[in-house]
Amino acid sequence: NAGVMQNPRHLVRRRGQEARLRCSPMKGHSHVYWYRQLPEEGLKFMVYLQKENIIDESGMPKERFSAEFPKEGPSILRIQQVVRGDSAAYFCASSPFDNEQFFGPGTRLTVL
Amino acid sequence: RKEVEQDPGPFNVPEGATVAFNCTYSNSASQSFFWYRQDCRKEPKLLMSVYSSGNEDGRFTAQLNRASQYISLLIRDSKLSDSATYLCVVNNPYSSASKIIFGSGTRLSIRP
Repeated sequence: NAGVMQNPRHLVRRRGQEARLRCSPMKGHSHVYWYRQLPEEGLKFMVYLQKENIIDESGMPKERFSAEFPKEGPSILRIQQVVRGDSAAYFCASSPFDNEQFFGPGTRLTVL
Repeated sequence: RKEVEQDPGPFNVPEGATVAFNCTYSNSASQSFFWYRQDCRKEPKLLMSVYSSGNEDGRFTAQLNRASQYISLLIRDSKLSDSATYLCVVNNPYSSASKIIFGSGTRLSIRP
């Protein structure tokens, strides 16, 4: 049973470009969470999704950020018009019952 | 008051020492508790669940004190490889939003 997969592992974008981060949950997991971690800081919750539904997006900036978890395919975290402050590690986690979470290896976004 | 609070540390202890740290939570309805470990630039990984009766896994012991609303993690005979950030996680099943709350983490550094 493969773990949570994220790609790309590293992503470099110039200011103003778009970043798309993908997360494939563990098999059988229908709950997906996205977190952001700045250097030397803790995990910050961004959004919680179930298949085709956003359950809680209270941690996600209102502008430029969006997330989806379609019926088929991975969950996508999309950041439009990236700025330097978006540079961070973005972790995805999945869970079978909104309980203990299993994390992917993360995507490290660098905005030049 | 934060929902989950941890002493950020760092705790700097010699190899072989015993170290313990606590995590307090604010919602008395919380039902599930976990300790995660995060190494530098890696994803968090589940270390152990915390059961009401307390539980032990090798050198690690986790305890829950519902009356005072805290959980603890004790590490005996610490190893250099125990150096990491330890994240406390609390699950509140009655939350309308994401039910899982992460603490900011306690940094532990084991010195030779």
